[in-house]
Formats: sequence, structure tokens, C-alpha cells
Amino acid sequence: AQTVTQSQPEMSVQEAETVTLSCTYDTSESNYYLFWYKQPPSRQMILVIRQEAYKQQNATENRFSVNFQKAAKSFSLKISDSQLGDTAMYFCAFMILRGATSGSRLTFGEGTQLTVNP
Amino acid sequence: DSGVTQTPKHLITATGQRVTLRCSPRSGDLSVYWYQQSLDQGLQFLIQYYNGEERAKGNILERFSAQQFPDLHSELNLSSLELGDSALYFCASSGTGFSYEQYFGPGTRLTVT
Repeated sequence: AQTVTQSQPEMSVQEAETVTLSCTYDTSESNYYLFWYKQPPSRQMILVIRQEAYKQQNATENRFSVNFQKAAKSFSLKISDSQLGDTAMYFCAFMILRGATSGSRLTFGEGTQLTVNP
Repeated sequence: DSGVTQTPKHLITATGQRVTLRCSPRSGDLSVYWYQQSLDQGLQFLIQYYNGEERAKGNILERFSAQQFPDLHSELNLSSLELGDSALYFCASSGTGFSYEQYFGPGTRLTVT
């Protein structure tokens, strides 16, 4: 079974600074995706960024980037120039590639509550 | 706005009752997923449908069932409700081809009293 671990239940950062959220996972599969989702107080789940396991290049989306270490099974999220609107629960998620027709469930970590302070 | 809609937004009901949660996927998406978010269990996958057929099953209780209709909307039926079923229920959808991203609806908050 696949597991995802987020060891930081809470983190805080000052506005405009950089913060890194940690995530580790455990799997024997070789083809998979990793995701970071953001859940603000509205409770909506918002996709932040994704990483394909076969790609060595780390994904970036504007102020969000990941550090993907496949051998270490580590997938951290870096948020640069933090903004007040980044305050949210952040979930790391894992998906085995079996194809959309065969079942592609997400396995989530416990989440990290990030607070951006003014 | 993800394009995934869920109704109702909130539901309050009593133990032993039965409720139906509804989800409409993004236009063109064939896969629908249901997840449960509770304080003690976190976010858990329940079930997936693809073009009307069940494709994957997670930690879904026997009291729960789901289906996907020809117009691709999906319903999650929860019966013999218990206090522990109180949770936020999310529906997500994804397309075909090489995109495996799942887009979530706003969720239905179920409170069992």
C-alpha cells in the first residue's frame, strides 16, 4: 500500500518570505504522479502543482516549485514571496498511473497548516 | 471555480437516515471520484466511476453506494447514517488521455445529529 507522510502539522512564514513544506511517500511502483493541493478556509481543494515521476526536472508554477527526490521518495513544496492568500492547509498527494479507465485514486498526506503572517 | 458542481452544500440529518449527494463533473470529463474528509480519518478515497462503470473502490462502507448516470453526473448514497459519517464529501473529476489531474468540487458538508 502507498503511504504519504507530511511531518509538519503546522508552519508559519512572514509575508514575502520563502517557506518549504515537506512530504515523503512510500511505494514500490515506478510510474506515478505527485501533487500538492491547497485547501483554504473555504474548504475548496485547489490543485497547486503536479510532478510526473518519470521527469527529472522539478515542476514550477509561478511562485510554487517542488524539489522531487525520487530515490529518497521526497517531494517538497517551496512557496516563494509568500502572500496572505497562501494561508491554507496544504496536502501532498500520490497517484499510481494505471490510466483513467483503470482507476487512479489519490492518496493524501495528513496536511500541513500554513499561516502567512503580515 | 473548478467546473465541478456538488449539491447540496450543507446537509443536516439524523442518525439512521438516508441521504443522496450529487455531483456534476467538468464538461467532457468521464471520471468521477468521491472522497471523504473527516477530522479523524483525513482525506480518503471512496470510489471512482468512469463513463458509468465502477473502476476503483477504496474505504467505502457497505452502507454507502454510488452510481454514475448516462449524462455523467454521479450520486453518492449514504444510508443508516451514524454520527461518525459526519464529514465533508468531495467529488472530483478528471479527463481522458494523458491528463490525470483531478479537479475537486466545493464539497458537501454532512452533519449527522
